[in-house]
Amino acid sequence: AQSVAQPEDQVNVAEGNPLTVKCTYSVSGNPYLFWYVQYPNRGLQFLLKYITGDNLVKGSYGFEAEFNKSQTSFHLKKPSALVSDSALYFCAVRVLSGGYNKLIFGAGTRLAVHP
Amino acid sequence: KAGVTQTPRYLIKTRGQQVTLSCSPISGHRSVSWYQQTPGQGLQFLFEYFSETQRNKGNFPGRFSGRQFSNSRSEMNVSTLELGDSALYLCASSLSAGLGTNEKLFFGSGTQLSVL
Repeated sequence: AQSVAQPEDQVNVAEGNPLTVKCTYSVSGNPYLFWYVQYPNRGLQFLLKYITGDNLVKGSYGFEAEFNKSQTSFHLKKPSALVSDSALYFCAVRVLSGGYNKLIFGAGTRLAVHP
Repeated sequence: KAGVTQTPRYLIKTRGQQVTLSCSPISGHRSVSWYQQTPGQGLQFLFEYFSETQRNKGNFPGRFSGRQFSNSRSEMNVSTLELGDSALYLCASSLSAGLGTNEKLFFGSGTQLSVL
């Protein structure tokens, strides 16, 4: 079955430290991978995506993600965390279903950045 | 350019009632997807509409239905509400839902449904 997993419910990091939010996937064929962020009382906002090419993808707000085909992972990273990065982060993968594409999402990881 | 608009923002209903949620996509977007978000399950795909046709459907009971109008606005209906239907319902739009190289989903802020 095609799926995406976020193994951590919550990640805690001190402001100024690097952060990593983990994501692994299971899909047939070449994956299209996405990261979205959700702030309180808001919908999801697009951060970045990997389609093909360079394994390191840069996105919004200083975030980047590293695609690793052998480990089927797409971890989200940021060199220096900000308190304002505290939010719920979702990894997603595009899958083909019934002849059309759709996104399936992981369960989400809550990032808490402490001053 | 206005974003994805969902109405109402909050809804309180009782078991057995039915509810209709509305979504207006970004101008020019023809695909509308619906997701259910709950703390325990994350985001679950409900269905996707494109040019007034349902193209994809998730694993939800038939009580959950939707439709799309010629102006791409979409509605979602839940009949015979159950306590477990309490959730944030998110609508997302995209140009074609091919989700190819230059595409992504744009989400609304959601409708928070509480079933008492």
